[in-house]
Amino acid sequence: TQLLEQSPQFLSIQEGENLTVYCNSSSVFSSLQWYRQEPGEGPVLLVTVVTGGEVKKLKRLTFQFGDARKDSSLHITAAQPGDTGLYLCAGRGAGSYQLTFGKGTKLSVIP
Amino acid sequence: SQTIHQWPATLVQPVGSPLSLECTVEGTSNPNLYWYRQAAGRGLQLLFYSVGIGQISSEVPQNLSASRPQDRQFILSSKKLLLSDSGFYLCAWSVRETGNPPLHFGNGTRLTVT
Repeated sequence: TQLLEQSPQFLSIQEGENLTVYCNSSSVFSSLQWYRQEPGEGPVLLVTVVTGGEVKKLKRLTFQFGDARKDSSLHITAAQPGDTGLYLCAGRGAGSYQLTFGKGTKLSVIP
Repeated sequence: SQTIHQWPATLVQPVGSPLSLECTVEGTSNPNLYWYRQAAGRGLQLLFYSVGIGQISSEVPQNLSASRPQDRQFILSSKKLLLSDSGFYLCAWSVRETGNPPLHFGNGTRLTVT
């Protein structure tokens, strides 16, 4: 069974601060996705990373896939209240339809 | 454009009653379909997935079942609900291809079993 551990579980920061959340596994994934979920809604895809060492930027969000494709990080620069939500990482094994989700990091950005 | 509809949004059911949650997708053909359960705003547990009509794979032994009577329709059912069935149920679809297609989620059903 492939497991993804996310840390921290909860994060509360002031507007304008920077933060990093982590997604770690002992398993290798062919790809890893990050989703953001707001209360009462389904998760929405932010990014997919597929190559070890890959870095992708989405405005103030920077995503990195570990060289060994076992871990990933999400860095947010100058956090805004609109960044508040549950951030989920999800990994897909080679040739699999299935995504394994981490338990998420619940981020609160205080104005 | 593709859309996914899931209903009802909220549901309160007594223990022992039956359950039927429905999910439909529009604007795409031959999608992969998924049912997930999310506990208390946390990670998602895959319950069932389907790669075609009548083809259902179950990931977790449980009190629930799923059916896909039409290409873009996915139904989650139970004959007798348990208290432990309470949770947030999410339907999702993805294109049927190899690689890394994203999951597109509905807005979920909040089920409370009393």
